[in-house]
Formats: sequence, C-alpha cells, structure tokens
Amino acid sequence: DIQMTQSPSTLSACVGDRVTITCRASQSINNWLAWYQQKPGKAPKLLIYKASSLESGVPSRFSGSGSGTEFTLTISGLQPDDFATYYCQLYNTYSQVRFGQGTKLEIK
Amino acid sequence: EVQLVESGGGLVQPGGSLRLSCAASGFTFSSYWMSWVRQSPGKGLEWVANIKQDGSEKYYVDSVEGRFTISRDNAKNSLYLQMNSLRAEDTAVYYCARGGYNFGSWGQGTLVTVSS
Repeated sequence: DIQMTQSPSTLSACVGDRVTITCRASQSINNWLAWYQQKPGKAPKLLIYKASSLESGVPSRFSGSGSGTEFTLTISGLQPDDFATYYCQLYNTYSQVRFGQGTKLEIK
Repeated sequence: EVQLVESGGGLVQPGGSLRLSCAASGFTFSSYWMSWVRQSPGKGLEWVANIKQDGSEKYYVDSVEGRFTISRDNAKNSLYLQMNSLRAEDTAVYYCARGGYNFGSWGQGTLVTVSS
C-alpha cells in the first residue's frame, strides 16, 4: 500500500502570509493527488485535483504543485476564512484512496 | 444544486448492524461513482468504500472488508452502506460523497456511535 506523509501537522500564520503544506507519497502516484479544506463541524471541500487543477469556485490564492512523490499546497495571501484543516488525498486507483493526516492552519 | 443527505446513523452495540442511506439530488446520480468517507471524532478522514455507476465494481478499505457492503439504487437516486459486526473503532461521522476518488460534493454526515 502507498503511504502518505503530510507536514506539518500544525501551522501558525498571520493574515496576508504565504504558507505551504507538503504531502509525500511512498511511491509515485503521478499527479493523482487532491487537496481539501475542512472547517470544524463541516464536510470537507475540494480545492485542488490532479495535483494542480483548481476546483471551480475556489479562489486563485490556492495553488497546488508537484508530481511523482512530492506535492505542495500553497496559499498566497492568507485570508481569515482560510484558517482550517487541510488534507491531501491520493487516488492511485479506485481501490487506493487515502487521505493524509491533516494540517491544522492556525492564526498566529 | 447538488444535494447529498445522509441518514441512518445512531447508537449501536458492538457486534451490531446499521444501514446508512444517502439521498442524492441535483445531478444525474446514475452517471457518477459514489463513495462513503468517515471521520472518527477529532481525527482525520478515511475513505471507506466506493461503487461504480452501475454497481458492477465496489472497493473497500481493508478495515471494513467483509463487514460493510456498499450498494446503490439508481431508480431511487440513493446510496447505501450496510454495516455489520460493528466495532468501537467504527465510531465516526460517515459522509456520502460524489465521485469514486475525487470528492467534489459531500453530504452533511451522519454520526455512528458503537458502544455498549
């Protein structure tokens, strides 16, 4: 099974900052990676799919990059609404769907 | 507008069974893979199972294989999860999600608590 390692687990930042979250796969998954945002008590929201494709309606300050085994989610110009927990998710095949451990983005 | 509404959660004893349902609307249900994803209290997300448009392919996470069964009724625009031999570690909010591996729409979730 492919393992996912997401880092950091917690990230403190200020409004206006640029932050980066990393996800590493134990073997190549090409670009089959997505990123989600989740706020307390709410369902997750898809932000990025295929490593770098922005989901419709998601602000352009969110961007994804990477391929193979290393991927990043970047938020440029943090807004108050962005403080949440972020998850990466691999989908190598329909039977290999796995989420990372999550990164809680907190206000500094 | 896409809507997914889960129901059927509740308190069940270890070893018991529960059937979750998800009512879909606002899109052509029969055209999409569908999935169940769960989240234990205070923990991360875990994909549980998915099912192809016509039900001919189904996949499960190892921890529920043989105990849970995913199914769908395209005529009723509904997705189901039959959960048997429930364990304490199955306690979670269960979400219905549109898609087989990218989840662009989610329900609000239904809480399943396995406890004596």
